[in-house]
Amino acid sequence: DSGVTQTPKHLITATGQRVTLRCSPRSGDLSVYWYQQSLDQGLQFLIQYYNGEERAKGNILERFSAQQFPDLHSELNLSSLELGDSALYFCASSVAQHTDTQYFGPGTRLTVL
Amino acid sequence: GQNIDQPTEMTATEGAIVQINCTYQTSGFNGLFWYQQHAGEAPTFLSYNVLDGLEEKGRFSSFLSRSKGYSYLLLKELQMKDSASYLCAASLFSGGYNKLIFGAGTRLAVHP
Repeated sequence: DSGVTQTPKHLITATGQRVTLRCSPRSGDLSVYWYQQSLDQGLQFLIQYYNGEERAKGNILERFSAQQFPDLHSELNLSSLELGDSALYFCASSVAQHTDTQYFGPGTRLTVL
Repeated sequence: GQNIDQPTEMTATEGAIVQINCTYQTSGFNGLFWYQQHAGEAPTFLSYNVLDGLEEKGRFSSFLSRSKGYSYLLLKELQMKDSASYLCAASLFSGGYNKLIFGAGTRLAVHP
């Protein structure tokens, strides 16, 4: 158990819908990262927050957005969902924003029908 | 651009030793992470190499050569539970921030 929690574990929805994925980092960690992992593909970095502020953006679509709240939990919002958005979405956290080890949550499996 | 290569699949026998290689072509390189990921589960941290050389941690060891852009993960005394994907990830400083770039992963199958 990494100490990072994610909810929900599974999510099934329809095309065109909007969903919110939630992540709570390890106690004491200030940085939160979101990744997407499609079937048979590597982890694709989406976005990073540090202490409430956006710090880095990766291959995140404009339909996706995220935020980190004062209590340091983070939410990833996915809208106008398409079939191709079906994937595992992982959240990771680290102490700071530099080269610290990232610890991953259990992931949310999103299925878009 | 940034590129990380590792073999797609490997097989090995229980009790044996296996070496999983990773090569990278990146700029702003800080260090190299290895993660283990069982199917459908979260990646779990195995090792982090910043300096050249071998880091040993129980049955797992990781090596880095910065000049060659090369790393490997060595797994000894293989167990069935070691069947998993092994992800190589380069820590880079780019565009004013640090980020991890993951390879596609190496699926290791351990057979009796």
